[in-house]
Amino acid sequence: GAGVSQSPSNKVTEKGKDVELRCDPISGHTALYWYRQSLGQGLEFLIYFQGNSAPDKSGLPSDRFSAERTGGSVSTLTIQRTQQEDSAVYLCASSPDRHEQFFGPGTRLTVL
Amino acid sequence: AQSVTQPDIHITVSEGASLELRCNYSYGATPYLFWYVQSPGQGLQLLLKYFSGDTLVQGIKGFEAEFKRSQSSFNLRKPSVHWSDAAEYFCAVGQYSSNTGKLIFGQGTTLQVKP
Repeated sequence: GAGVSQSPSNKVTEKGKDVELRCDPISGHTALYWYRQSLGQGLEFLIYFQGNSAPDKSGLPSDRFSAERTGGSVSTLTIQRTQQEDSAVYLCASSPDRHEQFFGPGTRLTVL
Repeated sequence: AQSVTQPDIHITVSEGASLELRCNYSYGATPYLFWYVQSPGQGLQLLLKYFSGDTLVQGIKGFEAEFKRSQSSFNLRKPSVHWSDAAEYFCAVGQYSSNTGKLIFGQGTTLQVKP
């Protein structure tokens, strides 16, 4: 069956611009996660959704980062006023039960 | 706080040789443990997981891992490495409560396979 998909696969933007990253989870998976993978910080948790609610936003690095999930399915991660330190690969994962997480291919964000 | 340590940043083995990647965790309760593999430009693929029960778990691609509570370790092994196993490997522990379900990852181990 279809796995987790993310778009775009690559995004190049200028410092100060806003970007939106999209995640389509596996159908029926109620849990959805965003992680960030960067050279200096490794793999870091950003936010966790259960359904459309985000009970854990503890990993969002600043108030420039926000995320939403609609219809218990698609999620969008928005970064406002991007900075060069936001350059990273953003990974989305979904899970049927919170335990086993299935990852998408990621969006590589480059901020010039 | 929960943490995962992968002591080896980079490992090189010859094709056909055995492999062991080390993982140590810090977690107060019984851990949920995972090994993921990431090929260049790809997302993370789950190799195997430990939730409870038999401490030796089998995964995909001929990998296995052993949970040792006394050593707080969950080392990944493969008896004979193939060139296609060259990738980055991540150990992770699940942190679960009523309001979260996130994975805490180690820094990763890059595996290079010599022909």
